[in-house]
Amino acid sequence: DARVTQTPRDKVTEMGQEVTMRCQPILGHNTVFWYRQTMMQGLELLAYFRNRAPLDDSGMPKDRFSAEMPDATLATLKIQPSEPRDSAVYFCASVSSFGEQFFGPGTRLTVL
Amino acid sequence: GENVEQHPSTLSVQEGDSAVIKCTYSDSASNYFPWYKQELGKGPQLIIDIRSNVGEKKDQRIAVTLNKTAKHFSLHITETQPEDSAVYFCAAEAGYSTLTFGKGTMLLVSP
Repeated sequence: DARVTQTPRDKVTEMGQEVTMRCQPILGHNTVFWYRQTMMQGLELLAYFRNRAPLDDSGMPKDRFSAEMPDATLATLKIQPSEPRDSAVYFCASVSSFGEQFFGPGTRLTVL
Repeated sequence: GENVEQHPSTLSVQEGDSAVIKCTYSDSASNYFPWYKQELGKGPQLIIDIRSNVGEKKDQRIAVTLNKTAKHFSLHITETQPEDSAVYFCAAEAGYSTLTFGKGTMLLVSP
């Protein structure tokens, strides 16, 4: 049963700390999206990659967020330094060859 | 860019009733329209999608209709069950597989 995995599932940290979230896309999917979900803003696109190359990261605050895809099985989203307003659920999604996006279970981030 | 409006924001029905959620989009170039179901504490799950070359698609109790001229599409759930209770999101493809999502509809099915 192929599925997207994300770690950690929950993260509580203090303001100013570095946070790294990881995503393993479905094997064979070469496009990966990062989203942030909050009650106020809904689902926001942060960045996405195709064949490990970043295509668009205009949705991310550049001064503190960075996204990478060091290999085909791992995508990372890093926040440094974290702020309380970054508290949200972060999802990654991988895309099939038919264009269907499959979401991971999310990382719930709380910044105190 | 693409803009997707979704209505209603909440919907309460009795078990066995039908539920309809409607979305409109702005970009006439959009050609892929998925629907997602999100249960509490989980990621959005793709439940059905439709492409612009068809007007309707059905999968058991759920169906989606698309009117490209009017730029709107709808999700229909028949014979609703309590386990259908969740938040449902529509989306439209804005190019390069990127999706623009509606704000979501919270569906509550009462036994």
